[in-house]
Amino acid sequence: GAGVSQSPSNKVTEKGKDVELRCDPISGHTALYWYRQSLGQGLEFLIYFQGNSAPDKSGLPSDRFSAERTGGSVSTLTIQRTQQEDSAVYLCASSGRAHQETQYFGPGTRLLVL
Amino acid sequence: GESVGLHLPTLSVQEGDNSIINCAYSNSASDYFIWYKQESGKGPQFIIDIRSNMDKRQGQRVTVLLNKTVKHLSLQIAATQPGDSAVYFCAENTPTGANNLFFGTGTRLTVIP
Repeated sequence: GAGVSQSPSNKVTEKGKDVELRCDPISGHTALYWYRQSLGQGLEFLIYFQGNSAPDKSGLPSDRFSAERTGGSVSTLTIQRTQQEDSAVYLCASSGRAHQETQYFGPGTRLLVL
Repeated sequence: GESVGLHLPTLSVQEGDNSIINCAYSNSASDYFIWYKQESGKGPQFIIDIRSNMDKRQGQRVTVLLNKTVKHLSLQIAATQPGDSAVYFCAENTPTGANNLFFGTGTRLTVIP
């Protein structure tokens, strides 16, 4: 497809388990972003990739959160030892290389930690 | 740090009327602003953007106004349609550092047929 895709669309997990969320950006987009959206809230920035490197990890809420990007394309956000407060929608966006190019979002992964 | 907020959390309008959604931002260094529309169960969809060297920009049925003096942003939707019902977010970005956006809480627009 032409847009940003994310998988899974929904994930239910038990507290303490690890989860992996995947993002496929728009082909050719070098910048990739992860955001988190809690119920009824705005989006909270987590991490930004330019190519395979992450110049800004300032938004990751704890060391249980990590992300990687390989081949300048697919990215994986990993949450270890999930907690109930991690329940949210995790959104991925991608854009071109230039500063302040439009970010296009995927549909998100809805994570529920029981 | 940056803070972006909205004056009205909910807005109901009659179909065919014009809608105005407002947003206040606190970082005077922000130079790029975007409006997104988010329908239930979907990711945010880009509507329109504006840079700080402009005070108005028009798209199809939408207009964004930027008032840097009072750090205020608005989105005007002309002839609102039922398909416009969604949550609208404003977001801002600064000229330095990362490209990440800072989002407001959002305004839910409901169009009454």
